[in-house]
This record gives sequence, C-alpha cells and structure tokens, in this order.
Amino acid sequence: GEDVEQSLFLSVREGDSSVINCTYTDSSSTYLYWYKQEPGAGLQLLTYIFSNMDMKQDQRLTVLLNKKDKHLSLRIADTQTGDSAIYFCAERGRSGGYQKVTFGTGTKLQVIP
Amino acid sequence: NAGVTQTPKFQVLKTGQSMTLQCAQDMNHNSMYWYRQDPGMGLRLIYYSASEGTTDKGEVPNGYNVSRLNKREFSLRLESAAPSQTSVYFCASSTQGVTYNEQFFGPGTRLTVL
Repeated sequence: GEDVEQSLFLSVREGDSSVINCTYTDSSSTYLYWYKQEPGAGLQLLTYIFSNMDMKQDQRLTVLLNKKDKHLSLRIADTQTGDSAIYFCAERGRSGGYQKVTFGTGTKLQVIP
Repeated sequence: NAGVTQTPKFQVLKTGQSMTLQCAQDMNHNSMYWYRQDPGMGLRLIYYSASEGTTDKGEVPNGYNVSRLNKREFSLRLESAAPSQTSVYFCASSTQGVTYNEQFFGPGTRLTVL
C-alpha cells in the first residue's frame, strides 16, 4: 500500500530556518499536504501543493516537491517558538472512487529560544 | 461554526467494556473519518464514510464498528475494549471532489484501556 515517511524529530534555534522532509511511494498522488498539530489538539491544514507544481510559497512557508524522487519538503523561515508542533506530511492518491489520504508519522519540531 | 466536535475528551475503560465515541460536524461535509494516533505511527485510518449512508473499512478496522447516523454525525464503537486500543482518536470531515479537499479535525478523544 501507500507509504509516507518522515523523520520523527527536528530541533532548531529560534530565528533559523527549519526544513522538514517527507518521502512517499504513491505515484498517483494528486495533492500533497502539510498539517500542523499543536499539543493536545487536532491537526490543522498548514499548506498543500498540487502534484503538477514543484514549489509553493506562502509567507514564511515554502513547499518543494520533487515528483521524480517522490520527495516533499516544508521550509519554515525565521522559525519562532510558536512553530513548535508536530508536522504531518500527507498525500492524496486514488483508491477506487475514494480519494484516500495517507499521513506520515509526523515530525516533532522543537524550537529552542 | 463549531467545526468538528468530539465527545468525550478523555475516557478510561477496563478490558472488555464497550463505549461509543461521538463525532459531529456542522460544515455540511459529505465525508467523515475516524483515525487513531499512536506514538511513532502517525495517523491510521480506522473507518471512513464517503457520503451519508455509506461506510468503509480503513487500514485498521478490527475491533471497531461505525455508524453514519446522518450527514452530521459519525460514531465509533468499541464493543469489547482491549489494551491495544489505548490511543488518541480523531474524527475528521471533508468535502469530496476535485479540489484539494482539506480535512478538518476534531480535538481528539484520549482513551486508555486498562
């Protein structure tokens, strides 16, 4: 089946850039997502990219997609303590008539003041 | 709009007890989902309902049943709880179609089975 992999932990200093990486296996992916989970809360969509794009920028966030290598990354510029959270990569493929979303294991970002 | 609501927020069960987790959304979404979140394993889909009146198994359905009561509500039932079902359970909802289909998540239910 489809698989989405991420490293479990990343630590950065406040003000530095963070780069969270993700690899996936589904070649039929249509959309790829980054969700953010703050402590004790559910996931919230941070940003997404359509599979025919290779880059998307949204304020401090930059998403890069390498479709050939099935690699997705999220760069957070000028990382703040409020960015400390778990970041989930997800991809949407096709499974019959249902467009299934597969989530990665999540990367816990720790921002050191 | 309350978005996606879940009850209860916390629950402790003994092995063999049953319970139902409730979920409701007020965004008129067609599709609803139940996930469980375990450390190091991310989110795994238990069951989903693509539209009112339909339910289908996800990745880890064993030990669970679901009911799509109406368009707003989607419940998850544990008939005979086991310690392996200790987890955080999230309900989510979304539209279905050709757009990016953001999933909206509830705050979660933290379940411990002793």
